[in-house]
Amino acid sequence: GENVEQHPSTLSVQEGDSAVIKCTYSDSASNYFPWYKQELGKRPQLIIDIRSNVGEKKDQRIAVTLNKTAKHFSLHITETQPEDSAVYFCAAHKGRNQFYFGTGTSLTVIP
Amino acid sequence: ETGVTQTPRHLVMGMTNKKSLKCEQHLGHNAMYWYKQSAKKPLELMFVYSLEERVENNSVPSRFSPECPNSSHLFLHLHTLQPEDSALYLCASSQVNRGETQYFGPGTRLLVL
Repeated sequence: GENVEQHPSTLSVQEGDSAVIKCTYSDSASNYFPWYKQELGKRPQLIIDIRSNVGEKKDQRIAVTLNKTAKHFSLHITETQPEDSAVYFCAAHKGRNQFYFGTGTSLTVIP
Repeated sequence: ETGVTQTPRHLVMGMTNKKSLKCEQHLGHNAMYWYKQSAKKPLELMFVYSLEERVENNSVPSRFSPECPNSSHLFLHLHTLQPEDSALYLCASSQVNRGETQYFGPGTRLLVL
């Protein structure tokens, strides 16, 4: 199987600071790594993803890095805003339909 | 927000009841998923249907019974549930072999008394 670990479980940052969430995975066959944001009472929504043939991807204030050798990937949010407060989940995908999720990080951005 | 819909949004049931959760996707996808989301636990994949065929059943108790009559609809039939089955049940869909990105429904909040 696959084991995805996510840290930290909670994170508080001041508005304008950066936030970093890290995930590790165990199966080198995993090849696709999405990140989801889930606001309170809402559905998880994809915010960024990365495939195993890429080391870094950026979309405005959000970036994801992947280190295949070390089997870890990270979410970076710069210039955080209060509306970034949510639970963030990482996931690893392998095969045709296998998705494995981390336990989530509750991010609070303090105005 | 309307790509994947789920009904009902909230459900309270006794342990002897039978109920069904419904999911519908309007994205033209060919794979659909049921997840269970409990507090402080990772999203747990329960069932996967790809091209209307069940391809995954992650050791889910038989009191949960999925049904996928076509590529747009997915059901989760519930019977004789336990209080520990109380959770948020999320449906998702994706296009297999074309990106794998999953789109989630809003979920059904289930409480078993």
